[in-house]
Amino acid sequence: RKEVEQDPGPFNVPEGATVAFNCTYSNSASQSFFWYRQDCRKEPKLLMSVYSSGNEDGRFTAQLNRASQYISLLIRDSKLSDSATYLCVVIPGGYNQGGKLIFGQGTELSVKP
Amino acid sequence: DGGITQSPKYLFRKEGQNVTLSCEQNLNHDAMYWYRQDPGQGLRLIYYSQIVNDFQKGDIAEGYSVSREKKESFPLTVTSAQKNPTAFYLCASIRTGDTGELFFGEGSRLTVL
Repeated sequence: RKEVEQDPGPFNVPEGATVAFNCTYSNSASQSFFWYRQDCRKEPKLLMSVYSSGNEDGRFTAQLNRASQYISLLIRDSKLSDSATYLCVVIPGGYNQGGKLIFGQGTELSVKP
Repeated sequence: DGGITQSPKYLFRKEGQNVTLSCEQNLNHDAMYWYRQDPGQGLRLIYYSQIVNDFQKGDIAEGYSVSREKKESFPLTVTSAQKNPTAFYLCASIRTGDTGELFFGEGSRLTVL
């Protein structure tokens, strides 16, 4: 089993749709979780951290389910500009230790007019 | 402005040649990372370093070497032993503070002819 595994893509959705991505992780002791966005041929950039209680940033909602060992990203009212690859990142040792970060393989989202 | 600078952005080399990719950061981050990304794939960890003069192998270290003589610098050498060196290489560093955001350089695209 991969340490971090994401929904296989691509996701093709119309503008205005709601779309959700999941990411499962194998290490139950993992402490820190993030969603990154990567545009084509560019470097990844932080979209949002994932907190235990869940968190929201505008149209984006991130949730953590420790019991089932997955994190999710929900995008409401999709825009054309949301088209990108979304990467989940798990830090087993916690960010305070600056240790090994593990990336999922990414889920590609394409929002169509 | 603080950030991570990778150079060169594009590099072409012949088979059998060693290549060194530069990564410099002025963010005062302790931990630095090298990732490799192939088309349509996620990021795979090559090497990482949490402090000066220390580094650890990632998942695909074979055929690569690194050094961490200064906090600001973490160069990666792609040796002739690397079987498939053509890829997009990303350097990153992390702030061990509130968010643990991973900062990326713009990447180096290496093509071996």
